[in-house]
Amino acid sequence: DTEVTQTPKHLVMGMTNKKSLKCEQHMGHRAMYWYKQKAKKPPELMFVYSYEKLSINESVPSRFSPECPNSSLLNLHLHALQPEDSALYLCASSQGTLPEAFFGQGTRLTVV
Amino acid sequence: GESVGLHLPTLSVQEGDNSIINCAYSNSASDYFIWYKQESGKGPQFIIDIRSNMDKRQGQRVTVLLNKTVKHLSLQIAATQPGDSAVYFCAENLGGSQGNLIFGKGTKLSVKP
Repeated sequence: DTEVTQTPKHLVMGMTNKKSLKCEQHMGHRAMYWYKQKAKKPPELMFVYSYEKLSINESVPSRFSPECPNSSLLNLHLHALQPEDSALYLCASSQGTLPEAFFGQGTRLTVV
Repeated sequence: GESVGLHLPTLSVQEGDNSIINCAYSNSASDYFIWYKQESGKGPQFIIDIRSNMDKRQGQRVTVLLNKTVKHLSLQIAATQPGDSAVYFCAENLGGSQGNLIFGKGTKLSVKP
């Protein structure tokens, strides 16, 4: 299995809602990432988990809360988002000894 | 030819021609570089990588060239096909074993049949 699976593929949420994005990989990778990508822009790193511990938080607002329940799963909990948070949210994983990252297909998030 | 519009730079090539996509990276300490292909509605897909101790690496129909003196990376695609149409991003690893990748702005490649 060489895939990173993200659910849901699309999500529409109101500014007062709480929702979660999920990511799963079964490649034995020990590093997992969340990226945010706006239209026609490159992906921007949000969080890095290494061996299930948060190792990088790129000054992301607290309305985004990551969670790594185990080495195969990564969640992104969303609360009180703003319309400008609408974007494609990408999950990725890597072996940790190699920075090459495998990406999922992303969750297209729309905040209304 | 290559044009820079309001958004992504675009490169238009004829099917069968070779394509060259360029990227300038920012950090002279970066030790690893990756080219990704991103098709519409999909996540980035790994194409080829190169370490900073190399200046050229070849894959199947693709070649990456690294010039550390001017901090420049290029991706050459031989015999470009319509399926190569996508946005191409270079990414640099700022160091360390974690994938702290910083992506370049991207180039949209359009292949005309």
